[in-house]
Amino acid sequence: AQTVTQSQPEMSVQEAETVTLSCTYDTSENNYYLFWYKQPPSRQMILVIRQEAYKQQNATENRFSVNFQKAAKSFSLKISDSQLGDTAMYFCAFMKRGGGADGLTFGKGTHLIIQP
Amino acid sequence: KAGVTQTPRYLIKTRGQQVTLSCSPISGHRSVSWYQQTPGQGLQFLFEYFSETQRNKGNFPGRFSGRQFSNSRSEMNVSTLELGDSALYLCASSLGQGLGNSPLHFGNGTRLTVT
Repeated sequence: AQTVTQSQPEMSVQEAETVTLSCTYDTSENNYYLFWYKQPPSRQMILVIRQEAYKQQNATENRFSVNFQKAAKSFSLKISDSQLGDTAMYFCAFMKRGGGADGLTFGKGTHLIIQP
Repeated sequence: KAGVTQTPRYLIKTRGQQVTLSCSPISGHRSVSWYQQTPGQGLQFLFEYFSETQRNKGNFPGRFSGRQFSNSRSEMNVSTLELGDSALYLCASSLGQGLGNSPLHFGNGTRLTVT
């Protein structure tokens, strides 16, 4: 089984700043996917960004980018020019290729607060 | 295109009762998976259905069951409710099975409270 660890329960930054959320994972799998999901107070989980483990290039989606270090099993999320609407719980998640009995394995989450 | 719809949004039940939660996936999506979210345990995978068949199952007791209909809608049933079953239950749909290469789209969840 795999584990996902998010070591920052809560972070707070000023609007327009850049913030990096940490995530490490442990797995014996070689083919897998990593995700960052955002959960605002509305409760709906929203996919922020996805990384395929066999791709060395870091994924980017507008203001969101990741630093994927496969050997170190690290998958951090960088949010540039942070906005008030970025305030939410952020979950790092792992899934082995083809799914499996564990489905998506989530970390405990980081509560990100963007201050005006 | 409508998103994933979960009903009801809130539910209050008594210990020992059973409950059924419903999930309508995004049109065209054939895979539905369910997750339980609690403050203590976080998000945990319950099961995944694809083409009316349960493909994967997480580590939950047999009191938790589900099914998927031919129109891809899914229901989750919890029997003999316990206080610890109080949680937010999230449903997610995706185009294909396996989920990794087909991103999950989540609903707003059903908040179940067991008293």
